[in-house]
Amino acid sequence: DVKVTQSSRYLVKRTGEKVFLECVQDMDHENMFWYRQDPGLGLRLIYFSYDVKMKEKGDIPEGYSVSREKKERFSLILESASTNQTSMYLCASSRDEDSNQPQHFGDGTRLSIL
Amino acid sequence: AQKITQTQPGMFVQEKEAVTLDCTYDTSDQSYGLFWYKQPSSGEMIFLIYQGSYDEQNATEGRYSLNFQKARKSANLVISASQLGDSAMYFCAMRSTIIIQGAQKLVFGQGTRLTINP
Repeated sequence: DVKVTQSSRYLVKRTGEKVFLECVQDMDHENMFWYRQDPGLGLRLIYFSYDVKMKEKGDIPEGYSVSREKKERFSLILESASTNQTSMYLCASSRDEDSNQPQHFGDGTRLSIL
Repeated sequence: AQKITQTQPGMFVQEKEAVTLDCTYDTSDQSYGLFWYKQPSSGEMIFLIYQGSYDEQNATEGRYSLNFQKARKSANLVISASQLGDSAMYFCAMRSTIIIQGAQKLVFGQGTRLTINP
């Protein structure tokens, strides 16, 4: 089974802090994704990566950056956390060109910015 | 632009009844794919079922089936014989036509919270 592991289930940080959310997958997937989930809005894509050191902006990249130094690990960075970044963050991975195969998700990180 | 609409923010169903969760989509593409995910209160997203636009049969996976009506652009999830453990958020998603180096994005609906009553 595919395993996507997010480093924290719950995280509380202060406004202005630099925040790192970590995600690791064990299935050698090429693609990794970061979403945020807010009530009534579903999941929105922040950034994704299709290879090591490669990244693409999603629909809501402002205020975020990402890092992919190794194939299995994809980090989301909040450069200077703000209260409107309080949300549920979900990481996912998928294999290349298996378009009928689902993205596999981690358990999510509930982030609160005070 | 592609869009997914789930018009039911919440649904309440008696245990053992069948339930239909609505999903309509908007796309100008001929080839696309639709996914349903379940998210229990613990937070993880669980893949349930997939339907390709060219699939002639409606997809089925155990108690889950997809009522795919291409002309109406709807892909409703049907859960037969509901159980207490089916209480969760359910998301419909469409595979985006944008492919970057083999990565295909998903576009999600707003979700439906399903509550199964004993």
